[in-house]
Amino acid sequence: DGGITQSPKYLFRKEGQNVTLSCEQNLNHDAMYWYRQDPGQGLRLIYYSQIVNDFQKGDIAEGYSVSREKKESFPLTVTSAQKNPTAFYLCASSGQSGNTIYFGEGSWLTVV
Amino acid sequence: GIQVEQSPPDLILQEGANSTLRCNFSDSVNNLQWFHQNPWGQLINLFYIPSGTKQNGRLSATTVATERYSLLYISSSQTTDSGVYFCAVAGGKKSSGDKLTFGTGTRLAVRP
Repeated sequence: DGGITQSPKYLFRKEGQNVTLSCEQNLNHDAMYWYRQDPGQGLRLIYYSQIVNDFQKGDIAEGYSVSREKKESFPLTVTSAQKNPTAFYLCASSGQSGNTIYFGEGSWLTVV
Repeated sequence: GIQVEQSPPDLILQEGANSTLRCNFSDSVNNLQWFHQNPWGQLINLFYIPSGTKQNGRLSATTVATERYSLLYISSSQTTDSGVYFCAVAGGKKSSGDKLTFGTGTRLAVRP
């Protein structure tokens, strides 16, 4: 089936550890995005990429890093520098600029 | 950046009732989308509607770009319509891509 796959669905991390969230899409979309959602809140943009080997910071990029080595993949690393990483993380993709954006099922990250 | 306000923040309906959700935005937009987030966190795109009117079954949406608002209509509501409805917009220069800014959502509960 075509779509966006995020893994893992649930992740627990100890303070001081980095963690990488996976996002893969088989929709042949050029653009990919990472959003963060806190309980009862809207989504905030972390990073986005419009083409392979290029990405831009969103509104809350501090403490996060990304790579875009393949069109299909856009992993997000939550580093130990992120002060409050416990949240729901959503990956998305879209085709040509202005098209509909599609989301994966999300990853729940809890820092313990 | 663009500000997005959604109203009402919470809405309780009896099954079969109709409702209107509103999204106001602070600047001109070239992208506006409505999403439904189900209780498991999955975000489903309902409409891509930077202007005009669209309908899909019991749902319809209208965006009046010149007056900077969009409306989402839900008719004959069902319990499966429960969840959070988000409006998201992008505007300004096309070079900014589709950096969608999300509102804080309308939480809808449909009672049987």
